[in-house]
Amino acid sequence: GAGVSQSPSNKVTEKGKDVELRCDPISGHTALYWYRQRLGQGLEFLIYFQGNSAPDKSGLPSDRFSAERTGESVSTLTIQRTQQEDSAVYLCASSSSRLDTQYFGPGTRLTVL
Amino acid sequence: SQQGEEDPQALSIQEGENATMNCSYKTSINNLQWYRQNSGRGLVHLILIRSNEREKHSGRLRVTLDTSKKSSSLLITASRAADTASYFCATDGRTYKYIFGTGTRLKVLA
Repeated sequence: GAGVSQSPSNKVTEKGKDVELRCDPISGHTALYWYRQRLGQGLEFLIYFQGNSAPDKSGLPSDRFSAERTGESVSTLTIQRTQQEDSAVYLCASSSSRLDTQYFGPGTRLTVL
Repeated sequence: SQQGEEDPQALSIQEGENATMNCSYKTSINNLQWYRQNSGRGLVHLILIRSNEREKHSGRLRVTLDTSKKSSSLLITASRAADTASYFCATDGRTYKYIFGTGTRLKVLA
């Protein structure tokens, strides 16, 4: 159906609060990626899900970050006790396999005050 | 360190001119992809080139890949104001973990 969707599109929160970001991948895509992009920077890999395999969490910057995905559907990225340095655009992408094109969602712009 | 690095960091050209951006990477790859990003939001996929390919075309876009030099170039011909965006290359390093460069910011002046 439609492309990758993410919600919310913008989130403003206070330092110390928890936030949850959502990604709806393209139906049937087994691979799902989360990236972080700070202003004027490239994309930082955060986490990768492939089907029912254990996710690769090697890009998560601290234990305040976690992500879940149920099967091949929605994924949520949770940031606990947010800090100002967490402010960035969080991008989700899905693909039909790891060697194929990644399709990106519009991103969630997170601002931590 | 980054797997892909784009060059130049910023490029400003007149409408109708060609724009060339380069990407260098460090390890062997299965494929390399080019993306465009407008206004710091979602990325749009442009072209995927596999390691056994040397050149691909898509409309006004031409991508080359030189695996011996670990480099790729993206050429946009007859540029338009609407091509103004940031362009990123992404390489897989023979894993599922694509690494993106910091991008080239292209500005096309009308």
